Amino acid sequence: DQQVKQNSPSLSVQEGRISILNCDYTNSMFDYFLWYKKYPAEGPTFLISISSIKDKNEDGRFTVFLNKSAKHLSLHIVPSQPGDSAVYFCAAGGSSTGGGNKLTFGTGTQLKVEL
Amino acid sequence: DAGVTQSPTHLIKTRGQQVTLRCSPKSGHDTVSWYQQALGQGPQFIFQYYEEEERQRGNFPDRFSGHQFPNYSSELNVNALLLGDSALYLCASSLFRQGISTDTQYFGPGTRLTVL
Repeated sequence: DQQVKQNSPSLSVQEGRISILNCDYTNSMFDYFLWYKKYPAEGPTFLISISSIKDKNEDGRFTVFLNKSAKHLSLHIVPSQPGDSAVYFCAAGGSSTGGGNKLTFGTGTQLKVEL
Repeated sequence: DAGVTQSPTHLIKTRGQQVTLRCSPKSGHDTVSWYQQALGQGPQFIFQYYEEEERQRGNFPDRFSGHQFPNYSSELNVNALLLGDSALYLCASSLFRQGISTDTQYFGPGTRLTVL
C-alpha cells in the first residue's frame, strides 16, 4: 500500500523557469510533510517542510503548497537552476502511540534542469 | 557543525552472513532512525531509537535489529543476509521534543550493502 505517491518519475525544465513537483498521500493521520533532494551516492538533503496547519511555506526559491482536502502537496522551485537537477522525494510523518515519528517516502521524481 | 556520519561507506557480504552498520547523529540530536532504500524506490523506515530504546518499528523482520548507545550513536545489525537485503542503508537523526511530532530528520550519506 503506497501511502505517499509521486506519479511523475521524471521532469525536465529549462533553466530560469518554474519546476513543479507533485505528491499525493492517502493517510489522513499524516500531519507533517517534507521535501528532500538527493544526488547520486549521497544521502537525502532536507529542503523544506510544512505542517498540516498551514497551506503554504516558503524558503527562498522553494515553496511548498499543501491541499489537505485533496491530500496533495507540491514543491515549486523558481527560478530553476542546473544545480537543482536531482531526485526529489516527498515524505510524510505523524505521531505514533509510542512517540515515534517515522517518515513515509514517495518513490521520487528525477528533475533535470536544462540550459 | 558535524552532520550525520555513517560507516562503512560500502560493504560486500555473502548470503547468510551478518553485518553491522554504524551511525553518529548530528551534533545536538538524540534520536536515530534507520531506513532502507532499494534501487528506484524511496527510503523505507526500519526503526527509530530514542533513549537507547526502540521507539517505533517498520515492517521489517526480526533479522533486523539495532542498538543506541549513551552517546546517541547507533548500530544496525542484519543477520542471515539475503540477496534482497542489498540496498542503501540510511541513518537519520533528529531532536526529540515532547509532544512534537514534526521534528525534521537529517540524513547521513548512507552505507551501500551488496549481498552476493
